[in-house]
Amino acid sequence: DTGVSQNPRHKITKRGQNVTFRCDPISEHNRLYWYRQTLGQGPEFLTYFQNEAQLEKSRLLSDRFSAERPKGSFSTLEIQRTEQGDSAMYLCASSTQGEIYNEQFFGPGTRLTVL
Amino acid sequence: KQEVTQIPAALSVPEGENLVLNCSFTDSAIYNLQWFRQDPGKGLTSLLLIQSSQREQTSGRLNASLDKSSGRSTLYIAASQPGDSATYLCAGTILNMNRDDKIIFGKGTRLHILP
Repeated sequence: DTGVSQNPRHKITKRGQNVTFRCDPISEHNRLYWYRQTLGQGPEFLTYFQNEAQLEKSRLLSDRFSAERPKGSFSTLEIQRTEQGDSAMYLCASSTQGEIYNEQFFGPGTRLTVL
Repeated sequence: KQEVTQIPAALSVPEGENLVLNCSFTDSAIYNLQWFRQDPGKGLTSLLLIQSSQREQTSGRLNASLDKSSGRSTLYIAASQPGDSATYLCAGTILNMNRDDKIIFGKGTRLHILP
């Protein structure tokens, strides 16, 4: 499968625990995006990387959230001291940078449930 | 604030009928318009992407149109089938001066095709 992959697909954790999600983009894509989707809502932009540089962070990304893309390939999103309000689907997408807009391709998502 | 609005929030139609889903956006800076399908608990599947210079795109029984001057897009589904039941998300791409792009999503229309 040469699409965007995310692991794990599902994560259940207790409030206060730390969780980490991984996203593997399409191999030739240099841009990687994270989105969060709560029940009944559309996905909301969290942050994005161009290669290993994190270029933009949404105000939704509180201090408990950190994202990395150390080698410009896969990315991790860590949530520290999880809260019940963090329960959501976390979606990753990737694209190439070009002279014009390039389509973002989405992964299957990681569903987080905080008890 | 950029917003994407989808009407209706939910729709039920008998199998075989043609239907139209509506999307409106407030920001004239939206560059491209994309329609996605999302099945319950799953990630996003891109259906149609209308680039800035285009007015419509077609794929099989689906046709999407874009009118940037009025801030509207429609997704037309012909001869609906029970397998079309899903949530349909409309999303606009915003480009800033640095050509950093992000997608603004609507909340979606939950479509149910009655057999």
